[in-house]
Amino acid sequence: GQNIDQPTEMTATEGAIVQINCTYQTSGFNGLFWYQQHAGEAPTFLSYNVLDGLEEKGRFSSFLSRSKGYSYLLLKELQMKDSASYLCAVHRDDYKLSFGAGTTVTVRA
Amino acid sequence: DSGVTQTPKHLITATGQRVTLRCSPRSGDLSVYWYQQSLDQGLQFLIQYYNGEERAKGNILERFSAQQFPDLHSELNLSSLELGDSALYFCASSPPGIEKLFFGSGTQLSVL
Repeated sequence: GQNIDQPTEMTATEGAIVQINCTYQTSGFNGLFWYQQHAGEAPTFLSYNVLDGLEEKGRFSSFLSRSKGYSYLLLKELQMKDSASYLCAVHRDDYKLSFGAGTTVTVRA
Repeated sequence: DSGVTQTPKHLITATGQRVTLRCSPRSGDLSVYWYQQSLDQGLQFLIQYYNGEERAKGNILERFSAQQFPDLHSELNLSSLELGDSALYFCASSPPGIEKLFFGSGTQLSVL
């Protein structure tokens, strides 16, 4: 099995930066996904990290440390539309993809 | 629009009943995943199929079953329904060799 931990809620101001941490314990680790999910909608893909390091995609960046079982998603220049749930997901070599409970980010004006 | 089609969008039924949820993956995708999402549990992995064969199994109850057909569409069958089965059921597909999931819009199941 695996444990995936991420904070339940975070609040930030429009234009600010927020970092969402995710820690995991698992065997057969292949990679780590981040998904965004707006209320009542389907999750949408944000990033996939396989190797250690930081990957940047516009306002969003994702970091992975395999040795520490740790990842974070960095959201910069926050906009109101970024208010959503952010899901960390661990991909294993037995093909299972398991999601954390999600972090609800609220962006305030 | 992710290209993954799920039907029906909403389903209301009674305890003890049986329902079938349907999923059509994106064109070219061979893998289909089923997830259950309830308010207190988050996204729970149920089962994955790859090109018609079961590939991985998660926390799927014995009352639930699934299959993937030769045309790659998939069905999730839920039987002897209980109140606690009320949830949003997502299907997702991924292309061969890439585990990036594309999710359908989900089926909201309400068991009364």
